[in-house]
Amino acid sequence: AQTVTQSQPEMSVQEAETVTLSCTYDTSESNYYLFWYKQPPSRLMILVIRQEAYKQQNATENRFSVNFQKAAKSFSLKISDSQLGDTAMYFCAFMKHGTYSGGGADGLTFGKGTHLIIQP
Amino acid sequence: NAGVMQNPRHLVRRRGQEARLRCSPMKGHSHVYWYRQLPEEGLKFMVYLQKENIIDESGMPKERFSAEFPKEGPSILRIQQVVRGDSAAYFCASSPPFSHLSGNTIYFGEGSWLTVV
Repeated sequence: AQTVTQSQPEMSVQEAETVTLSCTYDTSESNYYLFWYKQPPSRLMILVIRQEAYKQQNATENRFSVNFQKAAKSFSLKISDSQLGDTAMYFCAFMKHGTYSGGGADGLTFGKGTHLIIQP
Repeated sequence: NAGVMQNPRHLVRRRGQEARLRCSPMKGHSHVYWYRQLPEEGLKFMVYLQKENIIDESGMPKERFSAEFPKEGPSILRIQQVVRGDSAAYFCASSPPFSHLSGNTIYFGEGSWLTVV
């Protein structure tokens, strides 16, 4: 079974600063995917960024980037030029490569989340 | 493309009643997942379904909980004889069949909040 650990229950930074959220995971799988999801006060789960384990290049989406260290099983999220709208719960999630006949995704395993607060 | 649609958004049930939560996946998606989020917790996987088939229900409690995804119509998560501990947010998600383009990305609905009184 996989486990995902987010060691920072809450973080607070000033607007425009850069912040890094940490995530570590444990798995015996070699082929998998990692995700960061954002859950604002509306509670909608929004995909922020995804990373395929077989890719060495770190994923980037605008102000969001990851530092993926496969050997260390670490997957941190960096938010540059933070904005008030970035205030939310951030969840790190793991998914192993789909193994069922017909393809399709396997279940996500989530960490407990980090509550990020952006101060004006 | 409409997103994953869940209803009701909020549901209040008395102990012992039944709760039914519905989920319509995104257009073109044939895979549905249900997750539960307890207060101050991350989402926990419950069940994964394809049309008319339960693929993985390893996260679903053995009793009182059931899920289906019929050939026509939405996926239903059914909780019989609800208890206070069932109070949670229940999220549905969907994905297309796996491809190297879509990878294994799944998309979430806005959740259904069940309160048992």
